[in-house]
Amino acid sequence: EAQVTQNPRYLITVTGKKLTVTCSQNMNHEYMSWYRQDPGLGLRQIYYSMNVEVTDKGDVPEGYKVSRKEKRNFPLILESPSPNQTSLYFCASSYLQGGQETQYFGPGTRLLVL
Amino acid sequence: AQKITQTQPGMFVQEKEAVTLDCTYDTSDPSYGLFWYKQPSSGEMIFLIYQGSYDQQNATEGRYSLNFQKARKSANLVISASQLGDSAMYFCAMREGPGSSNTGKLIFGQGTTLQVKP
Repeated sequence: EAQVTQNPRYLITVTGKKLTVTCSQNMNHEYMSWYRQDPGLGLRQIYYSMNVEVTDKGDVPEGYKVSRKEKRNFPLILESPSPNQTSLYFCASSYLQGGQETQYFGPGTRLLVL
Repeated sequence: AQKITQTQPGMFVQEKEAVTLDCTYDTSDPSYGLFWYKQPSSGEMIFLIYQGSYDQQNATEGRYSLNFQKARKSANLVISASQLGDSAMYFCAMREGPGSSNTGKLIFGQGTTLQVKP
C-alpha cells in the first residue's frame, strides 16, 4: 500500500529538548516536504527536498533542520524546541508524471512544547 | 512574489447540489502548478486535484474538477453532487516551476470551510 508514515503521531515535550519527527514514504518519490498548520495561520511549508541530498527552505524554516540521506526518509529535527513550535506537522511526498502531479500526505504529528 | 487567496471563509451547500470554491493566485512565472486539498474534521490532509499551468484542459478527478481560468488567474474547485462526507476545510495551493527559483516551494490559501446540509 502506497503511504507516507510519520512518527510519533503525538508528542508532548519540554523547551530545549531535541526531538526528531520521522517521515518515510514507500513510493520512491523524489519530492518530499514538511508543513506546519496553526490556527489562523493556515498551512506553511517548512522545508522541502527535490531529491536525495537536495533540501531547501520553505516559508518558515527557522528552528528546524532536515536531512535527505536516502530517498524514502525525510526527518524533521527540532534542535531546541520552543513553545512557538507547538503545531500540527505534516510530511508529504509527490511525483510528477506526464505533466500530472500526485501528492500523498502523512497522518500528521501533533506537537506540544511546554 | 507568489500569492494565493481564498476569499470564502465558509460555504454552505445542499446535499446533491454542486458547489464552487474560489481560489485566485498571483505569479509572474509562466510555469506553475495548482493544487486542492481536503481536510476533514479528523485532521488528515487529502490531496484532491492538480492543474499544471500549461494544461489546456481543466483537471478532473471523479466529482472534483478544477475550473482553470489562466487569464483571470483563478483556479476554482467545483464539487458536483455534494455529499455529507464532503463537509471539510478545503485548501488551494500553488507551486512555481519547474525552472523557477521557487521550484519546490508551495504556498497555501487560508482555506474554505464547506458544510453540506442534508
